[in-house]
Amino acid sequence: DAGVIQSPRHEVTEMGQEVTLRCKPISGHNSLFWYRQTMMRGLELLIYFNNNVPIDDSGMPEDRFSAKMPNASFSTLKIQPSEPRDSAVYFCASSLSGGGNQPQHFGDGTRLSIL
Amino acid sequence: DQQVKQNSPSLSVQEGRISILNCDYTNSMFDYFLWYKKYPAEGPTFLISISSIKDKNEDGRFTVFLNKSAKHLSLHIVPSQPGDSAVYFCAAKKGGSEKLVFGKGTKLTVNP
Repeated sequence: DAGVIQSPRHEVTEMGQEVTLRCKPISGHNSLFWYRQTMMRGLELLIYFNNNVPIDDSGMPEDRFSAKMPNASFSTLKIQPSEPRDSAVYFCASSLSGGGNQPQHFGDGTRLSIL
Repeated sequence: DQQVKQNSPSLSVQEGRISILNCDYTNSMFDYFLWYKKYPAEGPTFLISISSIKDKNEDGRFTVFLNKSAKHLSLHIVPSQPGDSAVYFCAAKKGGSEKLVFGKGTKLTVNP
């Protein structure tokens, strides 16, 4: 079975440019999560969706960050304009929610470098 | 403030011996705990979990122990194998929430 698929795997761009990260969750999963991993802060939740609806975006650092989930099989995380401090590894994860404690399954991440 | 803490950034053990990874938490509302394993350039993969109504959960070579009064959990790997070398993350969640709070990880190295 296909796992969570993220693209691109690596992104290098200049400060001020728009960056779009993409995620395809595991088929049938109805919750989707965006995380950011940095040396200083570790792995932190940015936003999560349930049934395509944003539930908690309290981790989104500022208005430059936005996330959408137009359908059950696709989500984007956009940074506009990007800044060097946004450099990190961004992970997407999905799970089957609705009772019980189902683990989140992670993609392999997008390594983002803002010059 | 860090609600989930892994105070040892790294751990080195010999193949065949026991590896013990520790995790402390501060939020008494957490009722479900997970361990994830992460190899370089890959995403974290789920390893084992435990509910707060239990004090032990075992899956093959992996056992997680929970001490609620001390707000402490540990992951035991017996016997350790070189392929277990990875970064291990402890995570916790509150009942009714899907939000996971992660520790910063412990890098385990198992030497042949």
